[in-house]
Amino acid sequence: QKEVEQDPGPLSVPEGAIVSLNCTYSNSAFQYFMWYRQYSRKGPELLMYTYSSGNKEDGRFTAQVDKSSKYISLFIRDSQPSDSATYLCAMAGVGEYGNKLVFGAGTILRVKS
Amino acid sequence: GAVVSQHPSRVICKSGTSVKIECRSLDFQATTMFWYRQFPKQSLMLMATSNEGSKATYEQGVEKDKFLINHASLTLSTLTVTSAHPEDSSFYICSASDEGYTFGSGTRLTVV
Repeated sequence: QKEVEQDPGPLSVPEGAIVSLNCTYSNSAFQYFMWYRQYSRKGPELLMYTYSSGNKEDGRFTAQVDKSSKYISLFIRDSQPSDSATYLCAMAGVGEYGNKLVFGAGTILRVKS
Repeated sequence: GAVVSQHPSRVICKSGTSVKIECRSLDFQATTMFWYRQFPKQSLMLMATSNEGSKATYEQGVEKDKFLINHASLTLSTLTVTSAHPEDSSFYICSASDEGYTFGSGTRLTVV
């Protein structure tokens, strides 16, 4: 079992749809949670950073963390064709992980106009 | 927000030569930077953790003599791919920790 599970997709939605992206993890040592967007041949761009259970909103993006279920989500409202990219969840923790990031496999999102 | 600048964005070199990639934190100090490698359609693979003023920590399976890392200041880390071969061709990305982890734009290395 991988430390972080993420459905690779691809996920295809029409413009304006609400997109839900999810990751699960197995180790409670993860305390910090991030979502990145990566366009082809570019570095990942940090979208959301959270460290507590609950919701965090930034514009069209909402990050949700449920530590009891070891489950995180990213919601994108009013999706646009420019949102088409690969979305990576990432986690960092304490103990054996130190300050290293552990990534999910990435979900490919396609927003059709 | 935090910005990490990576240079060059693309480089082509001949087999057997060395290539240096620079990673700079522009508006914050980074005692720790990270170097990743990414293969097509795959997630990022951590190569090493670069610590300012000390030796880098390499992940298992990464050749430290081939991938030399220097972190001489709080804003600059460099990765040198020595005696490059075609199998070293890849996308290399650095990151630094501020609020969250910020990534550079990546370097596409092609060894011919």
